[in-house]
Amino acid sequence: KAGVTQTPRYLIKTRGQQVTLSCSPISGHRSVSWYQQTPGQGLQFLFEYFSETQRNKGNFPGRFSGRQFSNSRSEMNVSTLELGDSALYLCASSGTGTRGLFDTQYFGPGTRLTVL
Amino acid sequence: KQEVTQIPAALSVPEGENLVLNCSFTDSAIYNLQWFRQDPGKGLTSLLLIQSSQREQTSGRLNASLDKSSGRSTLYIAASQPGDSATYLCAVSGAGSYQLTFGKGTKLSVIP
Repeated sequence: KAGVTQTPRYLIKTRGQQVTLSCSPISGHRSVSWYQQTPGQGLQFLFEYFSETQRNKGNFPGRFSGRQFSNSRSEMNVSTLELGDSALYLCASSGTGTRGLFDTQYFGPGTRLTVL
Repeated sequence: KQEVTQIPAALSVPEGENLVLNCSFTDSAIYNLQWFRQDPGKGLTSLLLIQSSQREQTSGRLNASLDKSSGRSTLYIAASQPGDSATYLCAVSGAGSYQLTFGKGTKLSVIP
């Protein structure tokens, strides 16, 4: 069974640009969550999508947005990039729907975003 | 607001030693607790998941315990190996979603 895939793996952007990151969950999973990881703040929750609906959102500005498609693939978008957005962005998939909220979260390798 | 703390932040041990990593959380109303491993520059690998109704889980040389009432979990690693060197993260999920709240991690170095 293929794991969680994220594309691209590395991105370099300049301040003010926008970026779109993609995440393909494990086949059959309906939930995709996004996290930002920085050395100072650690792992912080961005948002979670379940069956195309945003179920939860973390404490990030409106420049951060996301969506989920009918095949469960998800994208997140960051507009008007700032230097502080440089981070490793991780997505996690879970939720076959049969075990409820006890499902293990499986993480992708991440997208390393550098903002210059 | 849930907060997760991991102690120590870093740990260095000689190969073969048994060790314990600690995790504490402020809100005992959790659905489950997961331990992850992260190698430098990589994503997270799930090691163990403990449901809120369970007390412990075991996988190979790893054993994780959960005391929900006191807001604590421990990850026990037996007979440590250099390949165990990584950052270990503890995370809890609450009601209603798969959202995880993470600790800052414990960076483990196992010296050959």
